[in-house]
Amino acid sequence: ETGVTQSPTHLIKTRGQQVTLRCSSQSGHNTVSWYQQALGQGPQFIFQYYREEENGRGNFPPRFSGLQFPNYSSELNVNALELDDSALYLCASSLTQGSHNEQFFGPGTRLTVL
Amino acid sequence: AQTVTQSQPEMSVQEAETVTLSCTYDTSESDYYLFWYKQPPSRQMILVIRQEAYKQQNATENRFSVNFQKAAKSFSLKISDSQLGDAAMYFCAYRRSNFGNEKLTFGTGTRLTIIP
Repeated sequence: ETGVTQSPTHLIKTRGQQVTLRCSSQSGHNTVSWYQQALGQGPQFIFQYYREEENGRGNFPPRFSGLQFPNYSSELNVNALELDDSALYLCASSLTQGSHNEQFFGPGTRLTVL
Repeated sequence: AQTVTQSQPEMSVQEAETVTLSCTYDTSESDYYLFWYKQPPSRQMILVIRQEAYKQQNATENRFSVNFQKAAKSFSLKISDSQLGDAAMYFCAYRRSNFGNEKLTFGTGTRLTIIP
């Protein structure tokens, strides 16, 4: 069984650029959630995808967008990067089949915006 | 909106001793889940223990146990026989129990140091 993987591990961008982060969910999982973790803070929920549809969103502007593919892998896209977007981005996958579904986290992508 | 508060930014404990990390939360829901996650320097979030709000019995996983006080909205983590590998950031998290909702609300974390 393969765990959750994320790519790239690290990324450096400049303000105004666009970035795409990738997440491969654990085998058999149908839900992916994305979180932003600023330095010294707890993760903040960005959004969740279930069966290729966004079905939950946190307090993030529309320039944060995502996709989930038929194999349930996912992308997080951020347009018009700002300095405050510098953070660790975590994805978590789960199998939604009841009211409790354990989430498994990937190792994260560290994004630095200069 | 639900909030999770961890009032101890840092804690330290002697190896083999016991330490308790505190967490309080605010919600108007009656059914929900509470979690403790561990984040070592490798950055990967690891689930330590989970508590369902409708269960009165406190959850236990080997050396880890919780003290869940629903009326007080308190959810502390006790680590017994602390080991060097327990050193990490610990996050308390809340999730509503409705189907399909995976959103976790995290606290700001407690950095745990183990003193050899």
